[in-house]
Amino acid sequence: DGGITQSPKYLFRKEGQNVTLSCEQNLNHDAMYWYRQDPGQGLRLIYYSQIVNDFQKGDIAEGYSVSREKKESFPLTVTSAQKNPTAFYLCASLDLGRIGYTFGSGTRLTVV
Amino acid sequence: AQSVTQLGSHVSVSEGALVLLRCNYSSSVPPYLFWYVQYPNQGLQLLLKYTSAATLVKGINGFEAEFKKSETSFHLTKPSAHMSDAAEYFCAVRADSNYQLIWGAGTKLIIKP
Repeated sequence: DGGITQSPKYLFRKEGQNVTLSCEQNLNHDAMYWYRQDPGQGLRLIYYSQIVNDFQKGDIAEGYSVSREKKESFPLTVTSAQKNPTAFYLCASLDLGRIGYTFGSGTRLTVV
Repeated sequence: AQSVTQLGSHVSVSEGALVLLRCNYSSSVPPYLFWYVQYPNQGLQLLLKYTSAATLVKGINGFEAEFKKSETSFHLTKPSAHMSDAAEYFCAVRADSNYQLIWGAGTKLIIKP
């Protein structure tokens, strides 16, 4: 079955450490998105990519970095510059010829 | 700029009662509108979407939503609540430029037995 796989499901980060969240899709979708979710808030866009080797900053890109070397993969790195990284991170993909988005099951990142 | 407002961070209904979750949007162009559901520690699942076809949209799990341009609303309803409907519900509008979704803050639906 086609879908999006996010890993790991839970991740713990020490202060000053960079961590990378994985997002892989086998839907052949063009666009991929990273959202951050905090309690009581809607999702906020971190980065997005509509084509391989190209990506754009979203509303809260500071402290994060991404790459899009393959159509299927869009990893997110949470750097030490992100001062408050504890949150639930969701990856989504979109076939630009259609309207529906598909979401992964999320990664919960906690700073310890 | 486009935006979405969901009225009520928490809505509580009895099992078997009508569910009504409110969503208002602002958009300068005809919008694409979505309702998603999220269960704890899971991703989001699409309930239904409005794409400028019929104004009454039927989705999964017995939910439906009506697009009302004059009221800039897209409220979600279900005639009879079930315990399994307890979850958080998000309304979203698709941005004109980069196809990202602009989200409401979410409404947590609580079902009383």
